[in-house]
Amino acid sequence: EAQVTQNPRYLITVTGKKLTVTCSQNMNHEYMSWYRQDPGLGLRQIYYSMNVEVTDKGDVPEGYKVSRKEKRNFPLILESPSPNQTSLYFCASVKLASGMQETQYFGPGTRLLVL
Amino acid sequence: AQKVTQAQTEISVVEKEDVTLDCVYETRDTTYYLFWYKQPPSGELVFLIRRNSFDEQNEISGRYSWNFQKSTSSFNFTITASQVVDSAVYFCALIIDTGNQFYFGTGTSLTVIP
Repeated sequence: EAQVTQNPRYLITVTGKKLTVTCSQNMNHEYMSWYRQDPGLGLRQIYYSMNVEVTDKGDVPEGYKVSRKEKRNFPLILESPSPNQTSLYFCASVKLASGMQETQYFGPGTRLLVL
Repeated sequence: AQKVTQAQTEISVVEKEDVTLDCVYETRDTTYYLFWYKQPPSGELVFLIRRNSFDEQNEISGRYSWNFQKSTSSFNFTITASQVVDSAVYFCALIIDTGNQFYFGTGTSLTVIP
């Protein structure tokens, strides 16, 4: 089954404790992306990656890091989480072979609470 | 810069009523793609439709229809004979052909009252 998986689905942590949210897709998609969803703000893109070893900042990259060492994985790293990073996070992937017009497939989301 | 505006924050309708969700976008590019996604209470994001800027034909899928008008930069979504299962947050999104970023609106929360 074609899918994007994220782990963990729920996470409660404390300020300053480094954490990683994993994202993996099994569709061999070139493009992967992270979003955060906050009430009244919709989905905002944090980082995206056009392919292995190619990453770029989205609209809200501060406080986050990503890496793309393998095509299927795109982890989101919070080196020193703060309460304003409490949010719902989505990973997504897109096939680029025929252009960016392809559909984004989203993971199930990760709810993060930073105390 | 690109922007998507969904001015309706929340809408409530009674079951079987028709409802239209508005989406207005901004871009200077001539080639772009528009999307609608549904987020039910369970939280996942469900793809509904993709439309490219060269195809202004309206589309109908069951009770769902979309009206794309380049003249007004709008891509509105209509649900006919709404049902309780349509209760969700709906997002409109945009990406330009030469760009790498997706831009989402702030979403419209639809509640269908039985």
